[in-house]
This record gives sequence, structure tokens and C-alpha cells, in this order.
Amino acid sequence: ELKVEQNPLFLSMQEGKNYTIYCNYSTTSDRLYWYRQDPGKSLESLFVLLSNGAVKQEGRLMASLDTKARLSTLHITAAVHDLSATYFCAVGRADMRFGAGTRLTVKP
Amino acid sequence: ETGVTQTPRHLVMGMTNKKSLKCEQHLGHNAMYWYKQSAKKPLELMFVYSLEERVENNSVPSRFSPECPNSSHLFLHLHTLQPEDSALYLCASSQEEGALGLEAFFGQGTRLTVV
Repeated sequence: ELKVEQNPLFLSMQEGKNYTIYCNYSTTSDRLYWYRQDPGKSLESLFVLLSNGAVKQEGRLMASLDTKARLSTLHITAAVHDLSATYFCAVGRADMRFGAGTRLTVKP
Repeated sequence: ETGVTQTPRHLVMGMTNKKSLKCEQHLGHNAMYWYKQSAKKPLELMFVYSLEERVENNSVPSRFSPECPNSSHLFLHLHTLQPEDSALYLCASSQEEGALGLEAFFGQGTRLTVV
């Protein structure tokens, strides 16, 4: 069974700092997703990564995928308070599995 | 109206009640999903419908019964639930076309409380 592990589960950062969230998965997959969830809200798609070495960037967030290592990273550059949310990675197609989520808090 | 719409947004039901959750997608997608999100566990995939046929059922108890009458609508029928079934139930849809990596779009969810 496909398993998806994220770390850290909780992350408290100062504004302006950089940090990376990691997502490991247990079986081969040709696609990986990153989602954001604000408290009480639904999930918002951030990135779709389809190939080994894929890198996508949107604002202060950059996601990458290493299919050989079965690892994706979500890098946060110069964090701002608005980035506070829970971030999920997900792997698979119709049988998509989610990681436990990383609850990010950015403090002034 | 666009996107994925779920109703109701909040539901409180007794253990002997029967209720249904509704999901409607306006994106022209061909796959729809039910997920359960509870405080103690990661997002759990419950059911998958692709082209209106159920393609996955992850050992979900029979007190949850899905129905997909067409590609735009998905229901989750609930009966004799337990308090531990209290959670946020999320509906999602996506377009499954071969190797295309199109992400799933989620509804706002139904916050279910079983008393």
C-alpha cells in the first residue's frame, strides 16, 4: 500500500527565514501534488509535479520532485505571515494518498 | 457557480438518523472522490468514482454508502453512524486522462458531528 510521510508535522518560523518541508512516499508514482489548507477551509492546489527533477515555483514557494529517491520538497523562502497554513503532499492518481500535513506558523 | 460545491456545510445527526451529503462539480471532470478528514488521522480516501463507476472502496464501513448518478453529482448516504465518524468530509473531482497530471479540486467540506 502506498504510504506518504511528511516532516516536520509542525513548523514554527520567523518571518524572513527559509525552511523546507519534506515528503517521502513508499512506491513508484508518476505524479505528486502539494496542497494548502487554511483553518476551516478546503484544500487549495499549489503544485503538480510530473517528472523526475521537476521544479515549480510560485511566489515564495518552490516544489521539487526526485522520483528515484521518492522524495519531494517544498521550500519556503523569506517566509511571511500569509503563508501560515497546513501543507499537504499527495501521491497517486485515482488512488491518491495524502501525507499527514505540515502545520506551518509564521511569526513576526 | 463554479468549482466543487458541497451541501450541507454543517450537519449534526444522531446515531439512529439517516442523512445524505451532496457534492456537485461544475468543472466537467470525470472522476469524483470522497475523503474523510479527522483530527487524529491524515486525509483518508474513502471512495473513488471514475466515469460514474466506483473504482475504489477503501474498506469503508457499510454505514457509509456512496452514489454517483452522473459525472457531476456524488452523494454519501449515512446511516447508524458512530461518534467516531464525526469529521470533515471532503468531496473532490479531477479529470483523469492518461498521463495528464491534473490535480483534484476540493469542495469546502461538510463538518459532520454524530451525537
